[in-house]
Amino acid sequence: GNSVTQMEGPVTLSEEAFLTINCTYTATGYPSLFWYVQYPGEGLQLLLKATKADDKGSNKGFEATYRKETTSFHLEKGSVQVSDSAVYFCALSDRSTFGDGTTLTVKP
Amino acid sequence: GAGVSQSPRYKVAKRGQDVALRCDPISGHVSLFWYQQALGQGPEFLTYFQNEAQLDKSGLPSDRFFAERPEGSVSTLKIQRTQQEDSAVYLCASSLATSGVPNEQFFGPGTRLTVL
Repeated sequence: GNSVTQMEGPVTLSEEAFLTINCTYTATGYPSLFWYVQYPGEGLQLLLKATKADDKGSNKGFEATYRKETTSFHLEKGSVQVSDSAVYFCALSDRSTFGDGTTLTVKP
Repeated sequence: GAGVSQSPRYKVAKRGQDVALRCDPISGHVSLFWYQQALGQGPEFLTYFQNEAQLDKSGLPSDRFFAERPEGSVSTLKIQRTQQEDSAVYLCASSLATSGVPNEQFFGPGTRLTVL
């Protein structure tokens, strides 16, 4: 069946550091891929998405590229801020299979 | 506009009790999903509605779990004879389009169920 594997957290970075959160998936067909974010005390919300191979999703300085050859959708940001502290979930469509989440803490 | 709302936000039940969790999706959203999220894990799919039709209930963990959406808007997830392993956050999400079209799901804040 479908599955998503995220890099284990937690991840702690200093402000303005470069962020990568790895995500790989196993799926039949050509799923759409998503990154959701959950800020403290809030519900899950969509951060970005990509619907086909080589698509790049981007939002709020975050980017992720749909790599079919490596079945990956790694999340990156060039310069993180304290306000980016949250839990990040990688997900694929078809009943939205989610990874277990990666907790990011950014320190000033 | 109003987002997805869920009630109650917190529920404590004694083992063996029945509980009902409510979800009010965004008005006009066709699709509605229920997920179970255990501590430290990602959401796990439970069931999916398109309007009032329950098209997929493959994720429901046992026959003690039942969901309905009789008028194609509000949905209720019912858990009968609750067990300790049912303790989790139950998330509801809605989306505008039908399944098969990659689209954003809007999540509610969840109901945290604790079974003693």
